[in-house]
Amino acid sequence: KNQVEQSPQSLIILEGKNCTLQCNYTVSPFSNLRWYKQDTGRGPVSLTIMTFSENTKSNGRYTATLDADTKQSSLHITASQLSDSASYICVVSRESSASKIIFGSGTRLSIRP
Amino acid sequence: DGGITQSPKYLFRKEGQNVTLSCEQNLNHDAMYWYRQDPGQGLRLIYYSQIVNDFQKGDIAEGYSVSREKKESFPLTVTSAQKNPTAFYLCASSTSQGNEQFFGPGTRLTVL
Repeated sequence: KNQVEQSPQSLIILEGKNCTLQCNYTVSPFSNLRWYKQDTGRGPVSLTIMTFSENTKSNGRYTATLDADTKQSSLHITASQLSDSASYICVVSRESSASKIIFGSGTRLSIRP
Repeated sequence: DGGITQSPKYLFRKEGQNVTLSCEQNLNHDAMYWYRQDPGQGLRLIYYSQIVNDFQKGDIAEGYSVSREKKESFPLTVTSAQKNPTAFYLCASSTSQGNEQFFGPGTRLTVL
């Protein structure tokens, strides 16, 4: 069964600290993996996208890693800010096809001052 | 929200009524999608369209209907047949390759 599992379900950290969110998937055949940020009551916004041959990609303070062998990805946030409070969603595509996209349930991150 | 608009932002419906959610994009994308988001769950695909005048059912199409008469527009109708319609609805669009989707701001539908 094609699944995307994220952990932890929720996380609270202090402003300025780093954190790492995890994504494990069983999707096959793999096409690409994306991380989205979703603010409460808003649509998701893309942070990074990685294909099979890429094992790391950065977007400012966000760094995503991908291990295609173990089917694991992580999103590392450095020097967290209050505006990082959001849900982070891992999305895996089976093929380069619009209908073959599987969403994780997300990690709810709260940054406390 | 990248050139995709959804309206209204909030929508209230009485049981037994049909309602239509609007989605418009100016990104010249061929593909458009509708998702439903419930608390603690991943997004679930309702319908998608890869070209004008054509659309396909997603994983949870029952109780919903769509049309794609124009490239820019992909309205979703929530019919009275949908037994649990209260949810957050997200529209997205992408190129025909579908590598990256751009999402609208969402519509929160509440059934009274």
